Amino acid sequence: RKEVEQDPGPFNVPEGATVAFNCTYSNSASQSFFWYRQDCRKEPKLLMSVYSSGNEDGRFTAQLNRASQYISLLIRDSKLSDSATYLCVVIRQGGYNKLIFGAGTRLAVHP
Amino acid sequence: SQTIHQWPATLVQPVGSPLSLECTVEGTSNPNLYWYRQAAGRGLQLLFYSVGIGQISSEVPQNLSASRPQDRQFILSSKKLLLSDSGFYLCAFGGQETQYFGPGTRLLVL
Repeated sequence: RKEVEQDPGPFNVPEGATVAFNCTYSNSASQSFFWYRQDCRKEPKLLMSVYSSGNEDGRFTAQLNRASQYISLLIRDSKLSDSATYLCVVIRQGGYNKLIFGAGTRLAVHP
Repeated sequence: SQTIHQWPATLVQPVGSPLSLECTVEGTSNPNLYWYRQAAGRGLQLLFYSVGIGQISSEVPQNLSASRPQDRQFILSSKKLLLSDSGFYLCAFGGQETQYFGPGTRLLVL
């Protein structure tokens, strides 16, 4: 079983739609969580951190459920420019805190 | 501002040939540096990380190696490439939480 699992998609949605991605992690000791965005054939870029209380950044809302070990990302009022792959990232605690990346969920927003 | 460079952008190499990918960082001193590989349809896999000159930690056994000859330079090498070495190689710098990636090198081994 992968340490971080995501639905690969693709999620095909029209502009203006609301779309939600889930991610599950297996290591209960994971402490920090993030969403990264990766455009086609480009490098990943940090989208937002995920806090236990949930956090919002404009049209994006991230939530964490520690009991169920899943993280979610909600995108409201989708734009064409939101089309990308969204990577779920958790930090595995240890002597060196290691970032563990999910394989990503692909989103395609169409007119 | 901090920037990170990688080259080449793309590379096509025959099986058994050597490899050298270079990564440099500007605008920061003594950065933590990382090499990742992303295979098609898979997540980023951490290959090496370095907390200082000459200090390299390997995450997975493989036929790749890394070196850090200068504070802001990180090099990924291989003596003999395998078909399975094909992928998207990303260099990153940052702390133990958020990391900033270079533009990557797309390697195809034939």
